[in-house]
Amino acid sequence: TQLLEQSPQFLSIQEGENLTVYCNSSSVFSSLQWYRQEPGEGPVLLVTVVTGGEVKKLKRLTFQFGDARKDSSLHITAAQPGDTGLYLCAGSSIQGAQKLVFGQGTRLTINP
Amino acid sequence: ETGVTQSPTHLIKTRGQQVTLRCSSQSGHNTVSWYQQALGQGPQFIFQYYREEENGRGNFPPRFSGLQFPNYSSELNVNALELDDSALYLCASSLSPLGLGVSPTQYFGPGTRLTVL
Repeated sequence: TQLLEQSPQFLSIQEGENLTVYCNSSSVFSSLQWYRQEPGEGPVLLVTVVTGGEVKKLKRLTFQFGDARKDSSLHITAAQPGDTGLYLCAGSSIQGAQKLVFGQGTRLTINP
Repeated sequence: ETGVTQSPTHLIKTRGQQVTLRCSSQSGHNTVSWYQQALGQGPQFIFQYYREEENGRGNFPPRFSGLQFPNYSSELNVNALELDDSALYLCASSLSPLGLGVSPTQYFGPGTRLTVL
């Protein structure tokens, strides 16, 4: 069974601070996605990383895929209140159904 | 381009009843996946449909069943509802060119909030 462990589960910081969210597994994934979910809505895709060691930047967000494609991180610089939300990592495997295996999520709160 | 839509938005049922949730996939997409998201948890894969056939199933009992129609829309049916079935049910659509090495991006609908009393 493929599992993704996300940490921390809850994070509350002040506006302007930096933070990192981790997503770890003992399984190899063909790709890994990061989603952001607002209350009452479905997850919205932020980025997909495919190649081991890959780094992608989306404004103040930096995503990294581990060399072995088992782990990933999301780093936010100078966090803003608008970054508040639930961040989910999800791994996909091409074996069998193209299902997504999700972590349990990180609830991020940025205080003004 | 129309995104993924789901209906109803909210639903309240009692234990033992049956429920049908509906999903319209994004235009041009041929694959629909269903996920269950309990409160405070990440989504869990229920099953996936590709061209009207089930293409994989997660660890859910047979009382969870589904359908995909020729227009690629989909239904999720749950029989004999239990209290633990209370959750947000998410539908995601994607375009699956099977045989390629990377899983296609899945786009999620807003979900249906099911409450079982």
